[in-house]
Amino acid sequence: GAGVSQTPSNKVTEKGKYVELRCDPISGHTALYWYRQSLGQGPEFLIYFQGTGAADDSGLPNDRFFAVRPEGSVSTLKIQRTERGDSAVYLCASSLVGAGTGELFFGEGSRLTVL
Amino acid sequence: DAKTTQPPSMDCAEGRAANLPCNHSTISGNEYVYWYRQIHSQGPQYIIHGLKNNETNEMASLIITEDRKSSTLILPHATLRDTAVYYCIVRVALNDYKLSFGAGTTVTVRA
Repeated sequence: GAGVSQTPSNKVTEKGKYVELRCDPISGHTALYWYRQSLGQGPEFLIYFQGTGAADDSGLPNDRFFAVRPEGSVSTLKIQRTERGDSAVYLCASSLVGAGTGELFFGEGSRLTVL
Repeated sequence: DAKTTQPPSMDCAEGRAANLPCNHSTISGNEYVYWYRQIHSQGPQYIIHGLKNNETNEMASLIITEDRKSSTLILPHATLRDTAVYYCIVRVALNDYKLSFGAGTTVTVRA
């Protein structure tokens, strides 16, 4: 389909391992966002890309989290030395900037479980 | 951004209108009211937004009080597929990317 695609949909890992989560935004959307959603809570902002650069990474919880978007399209969220508290659904969204409703289009998320 | 307050949950009968309230008493003149919903195991989905005037689209209607301190999202004929968590969000501008979702209202539509 033409929506935001996230892989994997589910990831189970062990404490201390490294994890990569991928987001493929809607074609032509220059803005890309990562959010994190813990059980029973609303999504929380992590990072925002405009093109290739991270315009705002103030939501990343610590330096174990890093995200890239090298060609201005696909983005990867990287988590080092995972901890049990990192377990959550990681949501990616994309949007057009400066046009339309300002709507963010979300993917279905990647559910990360750290054992 | 201004904070919003929503009831934690509400039930609605299938085929009836669902009226979802939201308080945003500290909203500023340049802040929009947005509504998103999140169906189980899916990402949030945009519903509607407004600044001052009431708005309607194919999904819902948004009624904003004259003082803009509160609003109501109306689903005119609720179906079982409308069961979801509904989030009321205020944003400074259309390109304000840090959406503050809060806990939302869990709406359960019953047959």
